[in-house]
Amino acid sequence: GQNIDQPTEMTATEGAIVQINCTYQTSGFNGLFWYQQHAGEAPTFLSYNVLDGLEEKGRFSSFLSRSKGYSYLLLKELQMKDSASYLCATMDSNYQLIWGAGTKLIIKP
Amino acid sequence: DVKVTQSSRYLVKRTGEKVFLECVQDMDHENMFWYRQDPGLGLRLIYFSYDVKMKEKGDIPEGYSVSREKKERFSLILESASTNQTSMYLCASSLRIEVTEAFFGQGTRLTVV
Repeated sequence: GQNIDQPTEMTATEGAIVQINCTYQTSGFNGLFWYQQHAGEAPTFLSYNVLDGLEEKGRFSSFLSRSKGYSYLLLKELQMKDSASYLCATMDSNYQLIWGAGTKLIIKP
Repeated sequence: DVKVTQSSRYLVKRTGEKVFLECVQDMDHENMFWYRQDPGLGLRLIYFSYDVKMKEKGDIPEGYSVSREKKERFSLILESASTNQTSMYLCASSLRIEVTEAFFGQGTRLTVV
């Protein structure tokens, strides 16, 4: 079957670093996505990984290990505006997105 | 900037009503999608369309239908609304099926009473 697991909620401190993990089992693999969704708003694209390794984009980085079915999103120098839900999704062999339930990140001053 | 616009942010409908949710994108994208989002669950695909007048069922199509008469517009129809269809509905579009990034509308929170 197809399954994506990520923690339900995480708490971190402003200025710190947080890592949000995502593990997956899907039928075929055409990449893994991270989206950010602020409360009451639309999800917005953060990153896409299709090859193993780390992709860095400013304060955000995303890592993928295909052999382990594992990804993480790393957020550095946390700001209050980073309080949001972070959605992990994989694209299967039919190019359909399979979504995790999302991780709610709470940033404390 | 790509813009995906959903016709309503909030809707309240009665059980048994026929409900139309409209979505328009302005970037000539081929693919359009309807998802519902419920607490504790990931986004679940209801229907998608990869071309005008084409539609494909997603994971949870029961109780829904769709229409895509023009490339920019994708409508979700609840034939006879039920309370278990109370949810957040998200429309999305992407350029082509194998192209990665999907752009989402702001969502419609539908309450069926």
